[in-house]
Amino acid sequence: EAGVTQFPSHSVIEKGQTVTLRCDPISGHDNLYWYRRVMGKEIKFLLHFVKESKQDESGMPNNRFLAERTGGTYSTLKVQPAELEDSGVYFCASSPRGHEKLFFGSGTQLSVL
Amino acid sequence: QKEVEQNSGPLSVPEGAIASLNCTYSDRVSQSFFWYRQYSGKSPELIMSIYSNGDKEDGRFTAQLNKASQYVSLLIRDSQPSDSATYLCAVNGVNSGYALNFGKGTSLLVTP
Repeated sequence: EAGVTQFPSHSVIEKGQTVTLRCDPISGHDNLYWYRRVMGKEIKFLLHFVKESKQDESGMPNNRFLAERTGGTYSTLKVQPAELEDSGVYFCASSPRGHEKLFFGSGTQLSVL
Repeated sequence: QKEVEQNSGPLSVPEGAIASLNCTYSDRVSQSFFWYRQYSGKSPELIMSIYSNGDKEDGRFTAQLNKASQYVSLLIRDSQPSDSATYLCAVNGVNSGYALNFGKGTSLLVTP
């Protein structure tokens, strides 16, 4: 069984540019989460999808971040325009039921210069 | 006050010893507690979950929860060098929906 897949694994962009991160959850997992770890800080929740619906986006930092999950399969997280403080590792996770067991992807390391 | 606090370490233990990892949380009504293991450059992996007071054992791992003290711990018996990793404590509260609050993690080093 394939795990949670994220790409790119690394992205280096300049301030003001746009970046789109993609996450492919485990097949059949309705719940999909985005988390972020900024250097030196803890992993922080960004948002939660159930199928294609956003259940909770309370962790999204501001309106420069847009997440979508069309068709309830893969998800994208777009940052536009990127700022220096957006640098960090963006993790995607999926689960079949709530938060009982999250399966994490290996993350996208985003560097905004 | 941080929602979930862990000592960042590194915690160094000799091979075969018991490693004790601790975590405190601030939300008194938290209900679900998890320990994730993360090897350097890899994704976090769930190793233990606990929901009620007391101990829960799974192989060499024991999770302990004390809701009155707002404290959760992870014991690793017979520590192996392959246990060297960062251990993340995660907590879910009643008002958190399905979001997990993570601690910064404790780095564990098991020396041969």
